[in-house]
Formats: sequence, structure tokens, C-alpha cells
Amino acid sequence: SSVLTQPPSVSVAPGKTARITCGGDNIGSKSVHWYQQKPGQAPVLVVHDDTDRPSGIPERFSGSNSGNTAALTISRVEAGDEGDYYCQVWRFGRDPHVFGTGTKVTVL
Amino acid sequence: EVQLVESGGGLVQPGGSLRFSCAASGFSISNFWMTWVRQAPGKGLEWVANINQDGSEKYYVDSVKGRFTISRDNAKSSVFLQMKSLRVEDTAIYYCARETYNWNSGYLDHWGQGVLVTVSS
Repeated sequence: SSVLTQPPSVSVAPGKTARITCGGDNIGSKSVHWYQQKPGQAPVLVVHDDTDRPSGIPERFSGSNSGNTAALTISRVEAGDEGDYYCQVWRFGRDPHVFGTGTKVTVL
Repeated sequence: EVQLVESGGGLVQPGGSLRFSCAASGFSISNFWMTWVRQAPGKGLEWVANINQDGSEKYYVDSVKGRFTISRDNAKSSVFLQMKSLRVEDTAIYYCARETYNWNSGYLDHWGQGVLVTVSS
């Protein structure tokens, strides 16, 4: 299946932990990447290959992937973490970059 | 510092054409696959097309095949997207992005700021 399902929204209080899931058939067998998109801005890669962070991304962002669910966890959430988050997997052949449906994170 | 800067978007009538470019700096574009991703107003991300390092391989999402053409000029560190027979549903912000691959996966590690294309009569 080419569908990656994410919850439409996640709300979290400052200082708490947000967990964003990405569901797909046997997604644990693939590498999952995560992007943050703040309002009016381009997406930014925050986690690649399930758990790796690009240079400059805080350790508060972490990823996991197993079975049919991958997840992005944001610890000690800050107001600046608000935005939309997308998971993505790569597959060989047609439509190589498949994106999740996106999750809007709101900091209360 | 890696930078991708798109230019050339705008308003076009249905059936019209548009071409925009992505100028890269801070890295050698000839070493990377490059891709275009779009985002319709209020919607999610959709991969549109990509091109390999020397331009010999090009792939497109089904909805744009035969209408869009991706190309590149490594000497000018630029990637292009030529769009024709535009439809209202092509209205979106188009992002240029650099692809990075490891042994079994690819991801988009740098993105441009995006260019808005509005198809409307």
C-alpha cells in the first residue's frame, strides 16, 4: 500500500511530550523520514532513517519504527515546535517519495 | 551553506504553460538527484518529479506525465520544471529539493522556499 496514515492533529502542553504516529503496511521494514513545516515555510528534515537527526536538529526530536507504525517523539515541547509534520518513505520505482497525510501539532 | 532558490511562478490560465527554475548553491548539484514536490493550498505534500545526476533518468507522478518536464543544467547549478496544459488542480506551491540516498532509502535533506503557481481563469 502507498498510504501512510497520520493523525490529523496532536495537541500538547509546553514542556510535555508529543508523539506523532505514521501507520503503513509493514512500515517497520522501511526507513522513515520526518519533516517539520512551520506556517508559511518550506518543510525541514528533522529525522531521517527512522532515528537519525540532521545537524542542527535538537535532541528533543527522536524517531522509532517497528511493525506497522513509525513515530516521531518531541520531548519538552516548545511553542516553536508548532506546525505540520509529515512522515515519508522511499520506494524503488514509481512515485519514489511517499508522504504521510500530515499531522498538525498545536502547543496549548 | 546549501541553498535552493526557486523562481518563475505566477498566475496562468488553464491550458497555459509555465517554466520555473531552482538555483542551487553550496554543493555540487552534479552529485545529486533533484526533485520537485508540490503542496496544494491547505493540503499535504505530493512528490511530482525527479531527475538523476546527469539527466538521463526522469520520473513523474502519473497526474503530470506528458504535461510536465523536469530538466537540469549542472554547469549552471540549476534544475527546471516545464509545465504545459496546466489544470486548476495544478495550483500549488512547488518546492525544489535535494535528494540524499543511503543503501536502501532516499530522503529530501534540503528544500527551497517554494514558488506559487496559480492556475485560474
